[in-house]
Amino acid sequence: AQSVTQLDSQVPVFEEAPVELRCNYSSSVSVYLFWYVQYPNQGLQLLLKYLSGSTLVKGINGFEAEFNKSQTSFHLRKPSVHISDTAEYFCAYSGGSNYKLTFGKGTLLTVNP
Amino acid sequence: GAVVSQHPSRVICKSGTSVKIECRSLDFQATTMFWYRQFPKQSLMLMATSNEGSKATYEQGVEKDKFLINHASLTLSTLTVTSAHPEDSSFYICSARGQTNEQFFGPGTRLTVL
Repeated sequence: AQSVTQLDSQVPVFEEAPVELRCNYSSSVSVYLFWYVQYPNQGLQLLLKYLSGSTLVKGINGFEAEFNKSQTSFHLRKPSVHISDTAEYFCAYSGGSNYKLTFGKGTLLTVNP
Repeated sequence: GAVVSQHPSRVICKSGTSVKIECRSLDFQATTMFWYRQFPKQSLMLMATSNEGSKATYEQGVEKDKFLINHASLTLSTLTVTSAHPEDSSFYICSARGQTNEQFFGPGTRLTVL
């Protein structure tokens, strides 16, 4: 079965520290991969996406992710986080022609001063 | 960028009543709209996929008679929760897809059933 796994449910870090949020997918077909951010009581905002081409994808707010086919991973990184990055982050993939998204369970990033 | 709106943002209703939630794509035509449900501190679960002018496709376990979806135009889809009960209380989020494979999400609707 196709799925996406976010290995960490919560990640606490200090301000200005680097962070990596992990995501692994399981699929036998080509996939499109996404990272979304959700602030409390709000919808989802797209951070970045991998469709094809370069495996290093740069997104908004200084985030980037690297698609690694051999490790079936799509980890999200930021070299220096801010308090305002505190939010829930969801990894998702779309693998079919119907464009349905399958989401991971989410990772709560908490940035402490 | 593409903007998707939802109305209302919050709704409180009595048990047994029906509630309609609207999802609009404001600056693009959405060939497909998706409805998700999110419980507190959990991920989004796809409820159904709707294409303009055709019946919605519901995910396994979602009652189509309880969650009525209408996608009458390329910019509007509605979700009606019929005979709502407290267990239907949740955060409902829609998304819309245009000509690309990217989904744009609405801000969500918080439904509380008393």
